[in-house]
Amino acid sequence: AQKVTQAQTEISVVEKEDVTLDCVYETRDTTYYLFWYKQPPSGELVFLIRRNSFDEQNEISGRYSWNFQKSTSSFNFTITASQVVDSAVYFCALSADNAGNMLTFGGGTRLMVKP
Amino acid sequence: GAVVSQHPSWVICKSGTSVKIECRSLDFQATTMFWYRQFPKQSLMLMATSNEGSKATYEQGVEKDKFLINHASLTLSTLTVTSAHPEDSSFYICSASDPVDPYSSPPQHFGDGTRLSIL
Repeated sequence: AQKVTQAQTEISVVEKEDVTLDCVYETRDTTYYLFWYKQPPSGELVFLIRRNSFDEQNEISGRYSWNFQKSTSSFNFTITASQVVDSAVYFCALSADNAGNMLTFGGGTRLMVKP
Repeated sequence: GAVVSQHPSWVICKSGTSVKIECRSLDFQATTMFWYRQFPKQSLMLMATSNEGSKATYEQGVEKDKFLINHASLTLSTLTVTSAHPEDSSFYICSASDPVDPYSSPPQHFGDGTRLSIL
């Protein structure tokens, strides 16, 4: 069975602070895919990143960066110089396939960025 | 890019009513679609996998007679909440991937969701 744990239910920061959202996963698959999604108050899911289990390179995209550590089964997400528009719920998710079918979502972390 | 359209965006109805939610893939054919449910301030949970031309596959704990899924064409899956009660109030969201382009970004196309409120 697959499981994704996001231990931080809510985080509150002041604008321009850096913030890291933690994600720990469990799976018996040797090949798997990890995802991060953003869910703003309007409810839609915004795709942020996909990472396969064989690629442990960290990734940076603008103010966003991701740290994948297979040894600790973690896939953490850092927002640098946070902005009010980053306020949302962020979900880490796991799938056995590249297309992200049948996703197992973590509980989500609600990020509040205050001006 | 590929888009999945979900309708309606929100619905309010009386207890005992059946409600149908539609999920359409607009520019690709989806042999498989997925239905998720999200209770307020909670995570998304996979309810079922909708398979074109065959029966849906339900996750453990999801009542198949309560949540009827029909996937009669390659671009449309419907979820019908039968005899809905207040505890069925939730945010329902569908998704699908383009089988022709599984490496697309985003890999999974989500509808915008349906907020269901049963009075």
